Amino acid sequence: EAGVAQSPRYKIIEKRQSVAFWCNPISGHATLYWYQQILGQGPKLLIQFQNNGVVDDSQLPKDRFSAERLKGVDSTLKIQPAKLEDSAVYLCASSLAADLYEQYFGPGTRLTVT
Amino acid sequence: AQSVTQLGSHVSVSEGALVLLRCNYSSSVPPYLFWYVQYPNQGLQLLLKYTSAATLVKGINGFEAEFKKSETSFHLTKPSAHMSDAAEYFCAASGNYKLTFGKGTLLTVNP
Repeated sequence: EAGVAQSPRYKIIEKRQSVAFWCNPISGHATLYWYQQILGQGPKLLIQFQNNGVVDDSQLPKDRFSAERLKGVDSTLKIQPAKLEDSAVYLCASSLAADLYEQYFGPGTRLTVT
Repeated sequence: AQSVTQLGSHVSVSEGALVLLRCNYSSSVPPYLFWYVQYPNQGLQLLLKYTSAATLVKGINGFEAEFKKSETSFHLTKPSAHMSDAAEYFCAASGNYKLTFGKGTLLTVNP
């Protein structure tokens, strides 16, 4: 079974530029999560999708971050414009169903904003 | 809101020694509990999970954890550390269809 795929693995941009991350979850997984992991901290949930609908985006900075999950499969997370404090690892995870809680993580995208 | 506390941001043990990583959760209703491991430049990998069945849970790589409701704890242990166990470990608790993670504990294993 293929795992959660993410790309790119690494990205370096200047502040005020835009960037997009892509995630393809495990086949058949209805729930998809985007997390932000700042160095030395645990993952923080940014947004949660159930199929192609948003379940929770309470911690997503909506003035600069956006995410979509068209057709309920893969997803894109965008930052526009980026700030220095957005430097982090962005993790995508998926689960068969939200109430099962067992999440499978992708390798992450390490973003550096200079 | 659920919170997860991991005591000790860094734990160092000798190879062959006992590993003990501590985790406490905050909710009054016992949640599902998880331990994940993260190796450098990789995503999180599930070690084990507690889902209200047996209170002693066995996971991969020789790790186990014990759920103690009276102490709101879910500490992770391994009897004998290997060099390959060096990584960051995260405890997580369920609530409102999402997981709340602790800040992580970096485990180093000395030869």
